[in-house]
Amino acid sequence: SQTIHQWPATLVQPVGSPLSLECTVEGTSNPNLYWYRQAAGRGLQLLFYSVGIGQISSEVPQNLSASRPQDRQFILSSKKLLLSDSGFYLCAWRGRYSGNTIYFGEGSWLTVV
Amino acid sequence: AQSVTQPDIHITVSEGASLELRCNYSYGATPYLFWYVQSPGQGLQLLLKYFSGDTLVQGIKGFEAEFKRSQSSFNLRKPSVHWSDAAEYFCALDSGNTPLVFGKGTRLSVIA
Repeated sequence: SQTIHQWPATLVQPVGSPLSLECTVEGTSNPNLYWYRQAAGRGLQLLFYSVGIGQISSEVPQNLSASRPQDRQFILSSKKLLLSDSGFYLCAWRGRYSGNTIYFGEGSWLTVV
Repeated sequence: AQSVTQPDIHITVSEGASLELRCNYSYGATPYLFWYVQSPGQGLQLLLKYFSGDTLVQGIKGFEAEFKRSQSSFNLRKPSVHWSDAAEYFCALDSGNTPLVFGKGTRLSVIA
């Protein structure tokens, strides 16, 4: 069966420090991969999605970036965090065909101080 | 453009009462529709999905949803709410060629 792993689960980072959140998927190949963010009391914001290795689409311009170095690995990064980057980050995957369910990881809480 | 509207930001119901969470969508054709639930500090879990066929869809945890094309709605229902149902609920639309479009969510509180 397919599983999705996301880490770290919680982190506290100072303003200006770098960020790396990692997500891996097991049990499937060629998935579409997604990074979402939830700020406190707000809905889901799509940050990036990828349909293949090295293919990244950015939905919201900001100081975050994403990379997909391997088929089932998706990394969210920042060179210098801002206070506004605090939030709950969710990685997700789905199969390539229309109507496929999207599956979420357990999320990563980021607090920028 | 596709969109999903969840008109209720927060709903409070008594334990044992019935529940209906509203979801309206905007899309030119018949979409694929989903309901997800999120407990605090956790990822989203699929409750149910509508692809085609029977417009009344059964999901996990006793939830069901009805697709009404004429009203562009996909409301989520449960006949008797349990305290463990307190969570955030998201409706989502899949038009087939873009990432899922999510509503802003409805937070459900359950009181004794």
